[in-house]
Parts: sequence; structure tokens; C-alpha cells
Amino acid sequence: KAGVTQTPRYLIKTRGQQVTLSCSPISGHRSVSWYQQTPGQGLQFLFEYFSETQRNKGNFPGRFSGRQFSNSRSEMNVSTLELGDSALYLCASSGSTQETQYFGPGTRLLVL
Amino acid sequence: QQQVKQSPQSLIVQKGGISIINCAYENTAFDYFPWYQQFPGKGPALLIAIRPDVSEKKEGRFTISFNKSAKQFSLHIMDSQPGDSATYFCAARDYNQGGKLIFGQGTELSVKP
Repeated sequence: KAGVTQTPRYLIKTRGQQVTLSCSPISGHRSVSWYQQTPGQGLQFLFEYFSETQRNKGNFPGRFSGRQFSNSRSEMNVSTLELGDSALYLCASSGSTQETQYFGPGTRLLVL
Repeated sequence: QQQVKQSPQSLIVQKGGISIINCAYENTAFDYFPWYQQFPGKGPALLIAIRPDVSEKKEGRFTISFNKSAKQFSLHIMDSQPGDSATYFCAARDYNQGGKLIFGQGTELSVKP
């Protein structure tokens, strides 16, 4: 089985812009979670989608949003980018037990 | 509020030695405790995981020890190798919140040859 894929892998944006990141889960996985990783804050949960519905949300501002499509692919969007949004954004998918999460390689976002 | 506390922040071990990383938690709703290994430029990869009804789980050179009453769990890496040099994260899942994982702050392990 192919692993979790994320596109793009690297992205440079300027403050005020918006960005959309994409995640394709492992085939058959219906749960997709997003995490932000920074040196200072570590890995922080953004949100989880299951069968096109947001099931959980972390403590991030409304500028961070996401969605999931019928094929389980997911996108996350960050609007009005701030310098502090520079981070590695990780997507993880899990199967029916929703225990084991498999991570993609991440999208590294740099906001200038 | 840090729900999973991990220590040490960094660890240097000689080749062949034992690496030990500790985590503690408070939330009794946590029901699944995975450890992830992350190399630079890569996403975290699941290493080994345990449920609270088991006190120890071993896979190859990696062992999780779990103390439910103390709400602590630890990762032991036996016969540590330079290739084990990476950042290790413990995590916990709240069964009330689906697939959401709460991560510890990470331990940067360096194994010296």
C-alpha cells in the first residue's frame, strides 16, 4: 500500500496570503488528522476529519480550516498568513480502529 | 496545559548502550500510547505502541514499560545504534476524541559510535 502523501512538500508565502495544503491518506483509511510541528511548540493537533465530517478540533484560530472529500483526501487552508504560521504541517491517516496513525512527510511552510 | 510530559529533552548514549525516555500523563481517558520516531526532513513513523492493560511490550530492541497506577510509560532502546539517532515522541490517545493524539515534547537522541 502506498503511504500518506502530502503536496506540496515545500511552500514559501508572504504575510497576509492564504495557502492550501493537500493530503492523500492510505487507501481505505477514512480518518485524516492534521498537526502543526514547530521547534517551540512541538506537535500540536489541528483537526481530524472522518467521513467528510470534522470530528475534532484543536486550539487554533479560525484562520485554520480544513475539509475532507468523499475519497477521504483532505485539504487544510490557512488564511491571512502570519509569520508564526511557519511550520511543518503533518497529515496522518488511520483505519477502522482509529488507533495507529500513519504520518505523511509533511509540508514545510515558510511565511516571509 | 501539557497533558503528556516527556523527558529528557535530549539524550546522548554510547553505541551498545541503553536509551531510556520517559513520559507521564494525567488524563485517565487515555487508552492508547504510541511512540514515534522522526528523522530530519521526515514525518514521524510509528515505532511501537501499548494499551494500558499491558505492563510491557517488546519489539526487537524496543521495549515499552507501562505503569498504569503511576501514569507513566517509558521507551527503552537496547543495544543503541548510531542509526537510532533521531527525535522520539511519546503520545497518548483520548478514547473520547477519536484519532486525536496528544504528543510529548520530544527527545532528541544521539548515539555516539
